[in-house]
Amino acid sequence: DAKTTQPNSMESNEEEPVHLPCNHSTISGTDYIHWYRQLPSQGPEYVIHGLTSNVNNRMASLAIAEDRKSSTLILHRATLRDAAVYYCILRTLAGKSTFGDGTTLTVKP
Amino acid sequence: EPEVTQTPSHQVTQMGQEVILRCVPISNHLYFYWYRQILGQKVEFLVSFYNNEISEKSEIFDDQFSVERPDGSNFTLKIRSTKLEDSAMYFCASSLDRIGTDTQYFGPGTRLTVL
Repeated sequence: DAKTTQPNSMESNEEEPVHLPCNHSTISGTDYIHWYRQLPSQGPEYVIHGLTSNVNNRMASLAIAEDRKSSTLILHRATLRDAAVYYCILRTLAGKSTFGDGTTLTVKP
Repeated sequence: EPEVTQTPSHQVTQMGQEVILRCVPISNHLYFYWYRQILGQKVEFLVSFYNNEISEKSEIFDDQFSVERPDGSNFTLKIRSTKLEDSAMYFCASSLDRIGTDTQYFGPGTRLTVL
């Protein structure tokens, strides 16, 4: 199975950008890259996804390396409400999702 | 805003007993999933389900597990004979779009405690 690797934790100051990296060197050609986040005692929440091109939405941007072996989730201006565990996920076309260990993001006021 | 609901929020059972975890996906969604999260660990995929069939399952989803969509609204996960290591938070998710590109909406989870 493809695997993702993320840093265990990161810190950011409020209102500053945050770049959360993920390595997925064993990604297959048809796997989609998804990012979800999880607040304490809640289910994961969708953030963004992509296949090859960089993606933007109202929550974040996703930068995907040309060889697709890594990606970076970018939160443009971190707020206190963005403090969560962020999961980088590879999803097959049959729906199997491989979660990384997640990065715990702490946002300091 | 529509949401995925799960019942019960907490289930306590004795080892060897059968449990059924229930989920009501978002009403027009077509794809359904179960995940589990052992305390302090990452989320793990169990199974995906579409058109009344399992699309894919993980190594965790062995013969002790089964899923069913018994009617038009519920989606259930059954564990036939629970083990201590089945203690975890179980999340149901659903999505409208094609698997792979879909946005999955997760429920709040059912905490299963096996004694």
